[in-house]
Amino acid sequence: DAGVTQSPTHLIKTRGQQVTLRCSPKSGHDTVSWYQQALGQGPQFIFQYYEEEERQRGNFPDRFSGHQFPNYSSELNVNALLLGDSALYLCASSLDRGRSGIQYFGAGTRLSVL
Amino acid sequence: DQQVKQNSPSLSVQEGRISILNCDYTNSMFDYFLWYKKYPAEGPTFLISISSIKDKNEDGRFTVFLNKSAKHLSLHIVPSQPGDSAVYFCAASEWNNDMRFGAGTRLTVKP
Repeated sequence: DAGVTQSPTHLIKTRGQQVTLRCSPKSGHDTVSWYQQALGQGPQFIFQYYEEEERQRGNFPDRFSGHQFPNYSSELNVNALLLGDSALYLCASSLDRGRSGIQYFGAGTRLSVL
Repeated sequence: DQQVKQNSPSLSVQEGRISILNCDYTNSMFDYFLWYKKYPAEGPTFLISISSIKDKNEDGRFTVFLNKSAKHLSLHIVPSQPGDSAVYFCAASEWNNDMRFGAGTRLTVKP
């Protein structure tokens, strides 16, 4: 049973560019959440997708957008990249919108913005 | 706005002894608390959780204690093993809302 998979594992971009990160949830899970983890910090909630809709959003600008596909996989898009967007981006999947509280995380995509 | 705080960035204990990791929160609406463990190059993995209606939850060597009046929770690992060496994140959520994480505590268990 494959867990949460994310691609790519590493990415290097320059300021102003756009990036797309991808996530496949754990089998049977219908909810995907995205987090940003800066160095030395805990994960910060970006947004959550359920039934192909953004259901909750954290304190992130509109440059951060996402999408969920009918097979529950998800993408995170970041436009007009800033140096401060350099971080580990984690995807987490869960069942029933994660109300059980237990989310399963992927290994993350490390984004470096130069 | 840091609603979940882990004030100890690191902790070192001897194998076989108890590890106690602490977490404080400010939002009294939080009703569900979790601990995650993270190894290098891996995503956080769920360890143990507790609902606000309880004050203790135990799972093998791991016990989480919740003190709602003090807005404090702790994770006890007994006995500690070298394989427990990892970064531990405390997380909290309120009904139907996003999860907030602390900055993590790096635990090192020395053989």
